[in-house]
Amino acid sequence: EIVLTQSPATLSLSPGERATLSCRASQSVRSYLAWYQQKPGQAPRLLIYDASNRANGIPARFSGSGSGTDFTLTISSLEPEDFAVYYCQQRGSWPRTFGQGTKLEIK
Amino acid sequence: EVQLVESGGGLVQPGGSLRLSCAASGFSFSAYWMGWVRQAPGKGLEWVANINDDGSEKYYVDSVKGRFTISRDNAENSLYLQMNSLRAEDAAVYYCVSLMLMMFADVWGQGTTVTVSS
Repeated sequence: EIVLTQSPATLSLSPGERATLSCRASQSVRSYLAWYQQKPGQAPRLLIYDASNRANGIPARFSGSGSGTDFTLTISSLEPEDFAVYYCQQRGSWPRTFGQGTKLEIK
Repeated sequence: EVQLVESGGGLVQPGGSLRLSCAASGFSFSAYWMGWVRQAPGKGLEWVANINDDGSEKYYVDSVKGRFTISRDNAENSLYLQMNSLRAEDAAVYYCVSLMLMMFADVWGQGTTVTVSS
């Protein structure tokens, strides 16, 4: 099973700042990695797929990069609605696995 | 509008069974893989099972193998998860997901809650 490790566990930033979230895989997943956003009481929402492609309707301030074992989600300038929990997920092999999440909170 | 609506959750005793349903609309259901993802209270996400477009391929996470069965009815645009021998650790919100976009979970239902308790 591929283990995804996200860091940091919690990130405290202010609106307007840049956020950088990391996801590291225990073995290569090539570019088969996605990022999801989850707000309290809501289902997750797909943001980025195949490491760097934005899903439909996702603002350009969200970008993804990386391949192999190291991936990054960047939010260029935080909006108030961006404070949430973010998960990475791989589809490089079965079982599909998620990282444990990074909570992005308002400083 | 693409929509997934789950139903069938509830309270069940340990060792009991439950069948979850997911009604799909707004897309060509029979053309795509589908899956179930769960989230225990206050915890992260766990992928439970996938099924291919015609139902001939199924994959399960180890913790549910032999107890859960994923299935689909393309004529009814519906996805199912039969859960048997339920354990306390199966308690979670279960989400139905479509895998239209490069096999990632691009559309999620609102979730249905399963509680396992005596």
